[in-house]
Amino acid sequence: GNSVTQMEGPVTLSEEAFLTINCTYTATGYPSLFWYVQYPGEGLQLLLKATKADDKGSNKGFEATYRKETTSFHLEKGSVQVSDSAVYFCALTGTGANNLFFGTGTRLTVIP
Amino acid sequence: EAQVTQNPRYLITVTGKKLTVTCSQNMNHEYMSWYRQDPGLGLRQIYYSMNVEVTDKGDVPEGYKVSRKEKRNFPLILESPSPNQTSLYFCASRSAGGANTGELFFGEGSRLTVL
Repeated sequence: GNSVTQMEGPVTLSEEAFLTINCTYTATGYPSLFWYVQYPGEGLQLLLKATKADDKGSNKGFEATYRKETTSFHLEKGSVQVSDSAVYFCALTGTGANNLFFGTGTRLTVIP
Repeated sequence: EAQVTQNPRYLITVTGKKLTVTCSQNMNHEYMSWYRQDPGLGLRQIYYSMNVEVTDKGDVPEGYKVSRKEKRNFPLILESPSPNQTSLYFCASRSAGGANTGELFFGEGSRLTVL
């Protein structure tokens, strides 16, 4: 079946630190992979995506590369800001694409 | 402005008292879905709808009903709420063509407490 395993949180970093949030997946076929972000008090919004192996998604300084050989899609940012404090969800499309399968989310807090 | 609107945003109710959470989108999206978010469990799909009058169960449909009489609206109905339905609920939508892009548009969430 389809599943996403995300790094347990919460994660607390100082401003300008390097961020990695690990995500691995199990899926049949060739899923598309996504990172969603949820800022406090808001709904989720798409941060970046990759639709095939070796694709790199990027947005707002965040990057993630679709690694089929390790079934991973780790989220990285070189220098985090306080405004990046949020919950980050890794997700993948299921067969038939009627659903997105989400990880449990990782809460990131960036302190000045 | 393109948006998904949910109401109410916050609700405290008692066991057994029927309630409806409304969801409306103004993007003419065919697909709509309801999720619940619980600590340590992430988002789990309750029901989804591929288009008007077409609905189907997600992963956790027990205790919920939905309807899709109009394209823009997708209400979530709890006929007899129980405390285990205390959760944060999200409605989401996307276009039919967005199936592979996976970009869902989410509402701001409805926090429900059942006493």
